[in-house]
This record gives sequence, C-alpha cells and structure tokens, in this order.
Amino acid sequence: NAGVTQTPKFQVLKTGQSMTLQCAQDMNHEYMSWYRQDPGMGLRLIHYSVGAGITDQGEVPNGYNVSRSTTEDFPLRLLSAAPSQTSVYFCASSYSGFRGDYGYTFGSGTRLTVV
Amino acid sequence: KQEVTQIPAALSVPEGENLVLNCSFTDSAIYNLQWFRQDPGKGLTSLLLIQSSQREQTSGRLNASLDKSSGRSTLYIAASQPGDSATYLCAVKSGGGADGLTFGKGTHLIIQP
Repeated sequence: NAGVTQTPKFQVLKTGQSMTLQCAQDMNHEYMSWYRQDPGMGLRLIHYSVGAGITDQGEVPNGYNVSRSTTEDFPLRLLSAAPSQTSVYFCASSYSGFRGDYGYTFGSGTRLTVV
Repeated sequence: KQEVTQIPAALSVPEGENLVLNCSFTDSAIYNLQWFRQDPGKGLTSLLLIQSSQREQTSGRLNASLDKSSGRSTLYIAASQPGDSATYLCAVKSGGGADGLTFGKGTHLIIQP
C-alpha cells in the first residue's frame, strides 16, 4: 500500500538549473495535483490533472510544467529554478476525480532549496 | 474566490483537556471539507472528511462538524495527549471547477505533558 510516492525527498538546486519532481500513485486515482507550501502562505495549487493526457493550471503555475502520460505518474518540472521556488512541494491524488468524494491523499513531500 | 481561515493560529494546552479548532470558509458552495494533520517536516495525514450533505464525522477521539450555511467547521479533540501535538489543516473542495483544495493556514497545537 504505497499510496502517493514522491521523489526526491530533499533537493538543492542552483539558480537556473532545471529538475523534475516525481510523483507516482498506485491507487488508480484519476485526479492528481501539485501544491507548494510556504511559511505563512499555506498550501497553494500549482497544477492539476483530471486524467491521463489532461492538465491545467492552478493558482501559482508560473515557472512549472507538468504532463500526464499515464494514470500513475504526474511529474512536476522546474524549467529554470529561482530562489522564489524554494518551498516544500506536495503531490496529492483523489479517487473520485476533482470532487474528492473519498478525500485527497498526499505524498510525504519534496523539500527544495534553490540557492 | 474561496478563502479559508483557521482560528486560533496556535494553541498550547495541558494534557487531558478537550479542545476545539475552528475553520471558516467564505463560499458555502462546497463539495466537502477535509481535516488533515501535519507533523513537523512531514506530509499531510487525512483525519476526517465531511461531505457537504453531512453534519459531522467521528474517528476515535476526533469529531468534526460542518455547518455549510454559516461557512464553519470545528474539529473537537477529546482528552488530548502529547502525541496530538501537530499542525492541523482544514481544506475545502469548492464547487464549480476541477481545481483543487483551498487550505487554511493551520492551527499549531502543542499538548503539554
């Protein structure tokens, strides 16, 4: 029962570098999403996907790309890292689509520092 | 735009006390409301999920209520224990779109032994 798995758990990047945060779920959930958590700001939605091949922007999408080629995986790409992207990133999924009738399940997070 | 507020931002109580955490939201058109627990440096653990048609949910020493018309939810913790120390987050799924949850900023709870 792996649930939602995020890798890596920690990462330090230099300004301008690119990287991909991985998110995988083994629960056959249709809906997947990415959030960032910053002190004093709460969790904010970056991008989401209602199914394979379909993605859309959330509240804070700038500087991030996503794709959804399979039901299981939803990677988040930082194209050119900036210090403002230093944050904790969480991936979440939901069985019953965006309504989350059975609730949302979150991964353990990726702590990213951009120097 | 939905906004979620949690009061208090921090709370410190002696072990054994019953306590109430509050969550309010501005738009009553919600599908459901979910309470999470977050331990320092960790992910979010779901505690309770209340559908918009429900009034309350219970799990062990936890009870969550929902008053959708007034835009409020409470999380009641009975007989608090030091292990309950964590940040508690309230999140709502609003109607009208496929975007995700709207979170409050959380209540940081410390239970003193």
